[in-house]
Amino acid sequence: GAVVSQHPSWVICKSGTSVKIECRSLDFQATTMFWYRQFPKQSLMLMATSNEGSKATYEQGVEKDKFLINHASLTLSTLTVTSAHPEDSSFYICSLQRPGLADNEQFFGPGTRLTVL
Amino acid sequence: AQTVTQSQPEMSVQEAETVTLSCTYDTSESDYYLFWYKQPPSRQMILVIRQEAYKQQNATENRFSVNFQKAAKSFSLKISDSQLGDAAMYFCAYLQDFGNEKLTFGTGTRLTIIP
Repeated sequence: GAVVSQHPSWVICKSGTSVKIECRSLDFQATTMFWYRQFPKQSLMLMATSNEGSKATYEQGVEKDKFLINHASLTLSTLTVTSAHPEDSSFYICSLQRPGLADNEQFFGPGTRLTVL
Repeated sequence: AQTVTQSQPEMSVQEAETVTLSCTYDTSESDYYLFWYKQPPSRQMILVIRQEAYKQQNATENRFSVNFQKAAKSFSLKISDSQLGDAAMYFCAYLQDFGNEKLTFGTGTRLTIIP
């Protein structure tokens, strides 16, 4: 398998502030990482695909100026929620795909719970 | 676009019994992967089992097995000898092969194990 960490595991912030969430691959280099959002009792919705060294690809309906993604290295991708509002409160999960594996398995981080007051 | 449907929002099973979770999907592709992921209360997504579409043989992993019906676009998960630790949300997921790495998830089935 693969070890994926996320930091912080939970965060509470005031409306209007920005929050940065980190996703790290601890045991291999990941050229592609994925960011998901999960509302309570709902499924995971892909927000964007993060590619190392290039701009992220956002899914339809996701505001790229609000959810800034930076994949600056092969082991780190960050998601910044800018000017957060209560409706941004959610569980954010990253995943990555290990290059070279034929089975295309994705490995998930433990998630970050964001609460915006 | 691919879609994944899980028609059972909740299921329950007696401990040690067998339960089957349903999943159907829609795709025009012939090469793809299907997965079942488990999300326990900790929220950590855990891969339970995977199936390559080109393989006719159903995948098995210990107490977990699938019934993959490609023509019917059906991919059910059977859990045998259910254990308390199996209680979780189960998500069926689809991944297109060759270049498109995006996982499409179903809406999930919450599985409760009755002691």
